[in-house]
Amino acid sequence: EAGVAQSPRYKIIEKRQSVAFWCNPISGHATLYWYQQILGQGPKLLIQFQNNGVVDDSQLPKDRFSAERLKGVDSTLKIQPAKLEDSAVYLCASSPSGANVLTFGAGSRLTVL
Amino acid sequence: GENVEQHPSTLSVQEGDSAVIKCTYSDSASNYFPWYKQELGKGPQLIIDIRSNVGEKKDQRIAVTLNKTAKHFSLHITETQPEDSAVYFCAASRSAGNMLTFGGGTRLMVKP
Repeated sequence: EAGVAQSPRYKIIEKRQSVAFWCNPISGHATLYWYQQILGQGPKLLIQFQNNGVVDDSQLPKDRFSAERLKGVDSTLKIQPAKLEDSAVYLCASSPSGANVLTFGAGSRLTVL
Repeated sequence: GENVEQHPSTLSVQEGDSAVIKCTYSDSASNYFPWYKQELGKGPQLIIDIRSNVGEKKDQRIAVTLNKTAKHFSLHITETQPEDSAVYFCAASRSAGNMLTFGGGTRLMVKP
């Protein structure tokens, strides 16, 4: 089966600019996650969707980060305005409904200058 | 919330030796403990997981043990090979569908 698709793979922006990342999960996976992975650290959950509804966004910095999954399939994560500390890899993952087994995409590496 | 500590942060072994990575967790309600392997430029990939109703699980050269009383679990890799070189993450969650909390990662280097 096709894996989790993410784009772009790399993005370099200046601070205060905006950026958007796209994710297409495995077909049929109802649950979609966005994780932030800062260099040398483990992934940290930003937001979890079940179909098109938000399950957990307690660690999402809502003043600058937003995410949507309007049709319950693909998802977009936006950062506006970006800060230097947002430099990280943004990982998208998906899982079947009610399961913990996550399949991750390759990630989108963001560098904020 | 849950807090997962992972040790060591780096581990270097000779090919053929065993490697052990340890994790502790804080939330006694956690009952699902997966291990992920992340190679350079790729996303984490699940390699083995264990649920709280068992104490040990094995899959070929990889095994995981769980001590719920002490709130720690470990990954054991036997007969290490150069292709085992990667960053390994442990994680914990309360139940299916709940968020995973990851440890800080262990960079394993297997020297040929």
